[in-house]
Amino acid sequence: QQQVKQSPQSLIVQKGGISIINCAYENTAFDYFPWYQQFPGKGPALLIAIRPDVSEKKEGRFTISFNKSAKQFSLHIMDSQPGDSATYFCAASMETSGSRLTFGEGTQLTVNP
Amino acid sequence: DAGITQSPRYKITETGRQVTLMCHQTWSHSYMFWYRQDLGHGLRLIYYSAAADITDKGEVPDGYVVSRSKTENFPLTLESATRSQTSVYFCASSESWTATNEKLFFGSGTQLSVL
Repeated sequence: QQQVKQSPQSLIVQKGGISIINCAYENTAFDYFPWYQQFPGKGPALLIAIRPDVSEKKEGRFTISFNKSAKQFSLHIMDSQPGDSATYFCAASMETSGSRLTFGEGTQLTVNP
Repeated sequence: DAGITQSPRYKITETGRQVTLMCHQTWSHSYMFWYRQDLGHGLRLIYYSAAADITDKGEVPDGYVVSRSKTENFPLTLESATRSQTSVYFCASSESWTATNEKLFFGSGTQLSVL
């Protein structure tokens, strides 16, 4: 069973637009929510992460919004650039699982020039 | 600064053959992981290891075997490959997992095709 569900599966955005990727989780014990970015032919790399004690975290053009009551979190990419074209994975883990992350299905983002 | 390296980069094998995917990290990270990446399923954990000689099953361990005799190496063996094991396999590592140090470092992957 997929404990972290991600949508959409693919997303096409124009340069300068806002990209939004959503994730929902089931296990209320999750307490760490990272996003990983993967370019073709490469392994995923940590992009940004949040803990449930805050509702938003921003790093440059990337923002995570977190809604604990709805068990949802999302990644917003402002002023999207062609270089942001990649696959994005949300993930979750809990203190008792340590570094074992449960990943979402992934979103393939294409930013057109 | 080699980081984490996987080999081979690509592998084609036949059903029933034994295949070993290699993973080597130069950071002396305690934790190592094997994930498989399939369209529609994201990344699923196969096996992980908290230290040398300590391994445990992840979400999809059936048909796979791991060992970790040295901290830096974490090979993954498919004992009798099946077509359903066609996938991209990623090895990852991390330091001790604390509130201020939560990050997985991934290799570049091995693309495995089982014919």
